Amino acid sequence: GAGVSQSPSNKVTEKGKDVELRCDPISGHTALYWYRQSLGQGLEFLIYFQGNSAPDKSGLPSDRFSAERTGGSVSTLTIQRTQQEDSAVYLCASSFERGVWGNIQYFGAGTRLSVL
Amino acid sequence: KNEVEQSPQNLTAQEGEFITINCSYSVGISALHWLQQHPGGGIVSLFMLSSGKKKHGRLIATINIQEKHSSLHITASHPRDSAVYICAVRPYGGSQGNLIFGKGTKLSVKP
Repeated sequence: GAGVSQSPSNKVTEKGKDVELRCDPISGHTALYWYRQSLGQGLEFLIYFQGNSAPDKSGLPSDRFSAERTGGSVSTLTIQRTQQEDSAVYLCASSFERGVWGNIQYFGAGTRLSVL
Repeated sequence: KNEVEQSPQNLTAQEGEFITINCSYSVGISALHWLQQHPGGGIVSLFMLSSGKKKHGRLIATINIQEKHSSLHITASHPRDSAVYICAVRPYGGSQGNLIFGKGTKLSVKP
C-alpha cells in the first residue's frame, strides 16, 4: 500500500482479555517500530525490528507485551491479560534504513485501545 | 528531570509570524527527530538530523550538539501549521527505534 496500515483502528476490550494489533509497513521498508501514546502523555518506544536482526524489545513495559514480524513485513503486537493502564493509542512506523543513522519514519494512523 | 525538554509547551501565534520551538536534551545522542502530530492524531516526520541545519519549505531545523539543543523554526506561519510538534532523540548506543520523546509543543496559528 501507499502508507503504513494499522488494524483495527479502534479496539475496545475487557480487562483480562488478550488483544492483537496489526501493522502493515510500507513495502520495501526494512525497519518497523511500535510506539504507544497514553492519554495526556508523550510517545513511548515499545519495540524495533530491523531486517533479520534480533529486535530491540527494551521498551516493552511488561512480559504481557510481545511482538513479532513475519517474513520481514507484517507485524503483530500482542497484549495478554490486558489491564486498564494499557489503554492508549498504539502507533506503528516503518522506514527504509539508510546507513547507520537510519531514515525518516513513516507513521500509521494508530490503533486506539480501550480496556474497560 | 525529563531527558528531553521542549519549550514552550503551548504557543499561540498570528498568521504570518515567525515561530521557534526549542528542544533541549540531557543525553548524548546520535540523531534527533522532529515530528508533527495533527489535531486528528496523525504523525508526520519532519526532519531527522545529527548536525547542522535542514530546511524543507517553510520549516527549518537546527541542532547544536555541543549545547544539546535543537530548534524548529516556521517562517510565514499559517493556520494549517497548527499541530503538536514533538522532538525525539536517539541516545548513543541505542537502537534506531529506541527514541526518547519530548512532551510536545502545541502550536495554534490564528488567522
